[in-house]
Amino acid sequence: NAGVTQTPKFQVLKTGQSMTLQCAQDMNHEYMSWYRQDPGMGLRLIHYSVGAGITDQGEVPNGYNVSRSTTEDFPLRLLSAAPSQTSVYFCASRRDSMNTEAFFGQGTRLTVV
Amino acid sequence: AQSVTQLDSHVSVSEGTPVLLRCNYSSSYSPSLFWYVQHPNKGLQLLLKYTSAATLVKGINGFEAEFKKSETSFHLTKPSAHMSDAAEYFCVIYGNNRLAFGKGNQVVVIP
Repeated sequence: NAGVTQTPKFQVLKTGQSMTLQCAQDMNHEYMSWYRQDPGMGLRLIHYSVGAGITDQGEVPNGYNVSRSTTEDFPLRLLSAAPSQTSVYFCASRRDSMNTEAFFGQGTRLTVV
Repeated sequence: AQSVTQLDSHVSVSEGTPVLLRCNYSSSYSPSLFWYVQHPNKGLQLLLKYTSAATLVKGINGFEAEFKKSETSFHLTKPSAHMSDAAEYFCVIYGNNRLAFGKGNQVVVIP
């Protein structure tokens, strides 16, 4: 099993550009989420989805957009990149929205210049 | 809202000595708690989890944690540190349909 796959691994953007971070899982998990990791801050929840067609905001949703058209995929869109969005982004999936183990992708390191 | 607090953002231990990482939680009901490890430039891996069964939880790579309700704590321990334990460790609490992460402990193992 591939588990949770994120692409790309690294990306450099100019301020104002848009892009999509891809996330796919092959475990038929209902619950998927996006986090950003900044030094000394732990991981903070951006958006999450409890199933296809259902998404909701986390702690830090501003500047990001998500959709969930299939169970497998949960892309994260940056609408107009800002230097404050320089971070490492992790996608995670869980079997359901209860207290089950989360599986993480390898991360996307994004730099906005 | 559920939350966890990890003190000591950086922890140095000598190889072969015990590791202790502290986590205190805040929760209005019986929590589910996790410890995750992140090795450099890698994703996060589950070390162990507490979900209201046994209060002493054993995980992978010789780690264990004890849930203490009276102290609202879930500290992570390992009897003898190995060089491969150098990583960042996160205490995580489940609540309100989401996971909340502590700020992490960066562990350095000194040979």
